[in-house]
Amino acid sequence: EAGVAQSPRYKIIEKRQSVAFWCNPISGHATLYWYQQILGQGPKLLIQFQNNGVVDDSQLPKDRFSAERLKGVDSTLKIQPAKLEDSAVYLCASSSSLNTEAFFGQGTRLTVV
Amino acid sequence: QKEVEQDPGPLSVPEGAIVSLNCTYSNSAFQYFMWYRQYSRKGPELLMYTYSSGNKEDGRFTAQVDKSSKYISLFIRDSQPSDSATYLCAMSGVSNFGNEKLTFGTGTRLTIIP
Repeated sequence: EAGVAQSPRYKIIEKRQSVAFWCNPISGHATLYWYQQILGQGPKLLIQFQNNGVVDDSQLPKDRFSAERLKGVDSTLKIQPAKLEDSAVYLCASSSSLNTEAFFGQGTRLTVV
Repeated sequence: QKEVEQDPGPLSVPEGAIVSLNCTYSNSAFQYFMWYRQYSRKGPELLMYTYSSGNKEDGRFTAQVDKSSKYISLFIRDSQPSDSATYLCAMSGVSNFGNEKLTFGTGTRLTIIP
């Protein structure tokens, strides 16, 4: 079974630029998460989808972050404009349903300079 | 108060020792408890998954949940240098906002000394 795929693995941008991350979850997994992990901290949930509907986006900075999950499969997370404090690893995870184990991708390491 | 508290360490132990990692939580609605292992520059890897109170064993790893004390533990027996990583506890259930989500601790950085 293929795991969660994310791209790109690394990205360096200047502040105020825009960036997008892509995630392909495990086949058949209805729940998809985007987490932000700052160095030395645990992952923080940004947004959670159930199929293509948003379950929780309470911690998503909506003035600059947006996410979508078209057709309930792949998902993209966008930041526009980026700030220095957005430097982090962005992790995508999926699970077969709410309240079951989540499987993570390798993450995208974003550096904003 | 954070929903999930975890000692960030770092924790260093000699090879072969028993390691104990712990988390406490405040949300009594949490029902599912997980431990993830994260190597440097990698995504978290699911190690153990338990539901409600009790123990679960998998090889050298034992996960323990005490819902009455809101306390979970991960024990690693016969620790190996390859166990050196950051260990994250995570839990899910109905959140304070009324919906379900996965909440992580900050992670404990563990080093096994050969």
